[in-house]
Amino acid sequence: GQNIDQPTEMTATEGAIVQINCTYQTSGFNGLFWYQQHAGEAPTFLSYNVLDGLEEKGRFSSFLSRSKGYSYLLLKELQMKDSASYLCAVGDSNYQLIWGAGTKLIIKP
Amino acid sequence: IAGITQAPTSQILAAGRRMTLRCTQDMRHNAMYWYRQDLGLGLRLIHYSNTAGTTGKGEVPDGYSVSRANTDDFPLTLASAVPSQTSVYFCASSISSGSAGELFFGEGSRLTVL
Repeated sequence: GQNIDQPTEMTATEGAIVQINCTYQTSGFNGLFWYQQHAGEAPTFLSYNVLDGLEEKGRFSSFLSRSKGYSYLLLKELQMKDSASYLCAVGDSNYQLIWGAGTKLIIKP
Repeated sequence: IAGITQAPTSQILAAGRRMTLRCTQDMRHNAMYWYRQDLGLGLRLIHYSNTAGTTGKGEVPDGYSVSRANTDDFPLTLASAVPSQTSVYFCASSISSGSAGELFFGEGSRLTVL
């Protein structure tokens, strides 16, 4: 079966760094996506990885290892507005996205 | 620029009633999708459309139908609502089908079936 695993909830301190992990088992691989979803709002795109390595975009970076079925999202210089759920999704062999349940990130002052 | 507009924002519905959730996009995207989001579960694909005139079944299509008469509109219909269809429904679009494209989501429709 197809499966995306990520922690249910994480807590971090404002100004710190946090790493959100995602492991996946899918039939085929056509890219890994990270989305941010604030409570009561729609998901918004953060990053896309299709090759191994680190993609950096401002305070956010995303890493992919295809051989390990593993990705992480790294958030630096945390701000209160980063409190949200972070969704990991993988494109399968049919080019459909398989979604994890999301990691709720709580930022404390 | 509106992006994707969904209606209604929320609805309480009696079981057995028919309901259509509307979705309109103004980005001229070819592909459109309907997802449901339930607590503790990832987004689950209900139906999708790769281009106007075509539709396909996703992971959880039972009890739902869609149509894609033109590029902009992609309504989702519940023919006879049941309580298990209580959920938040998101419509999304992408420039083309295939997971290489970023998805743009509507604000969601919260549906409660009693």
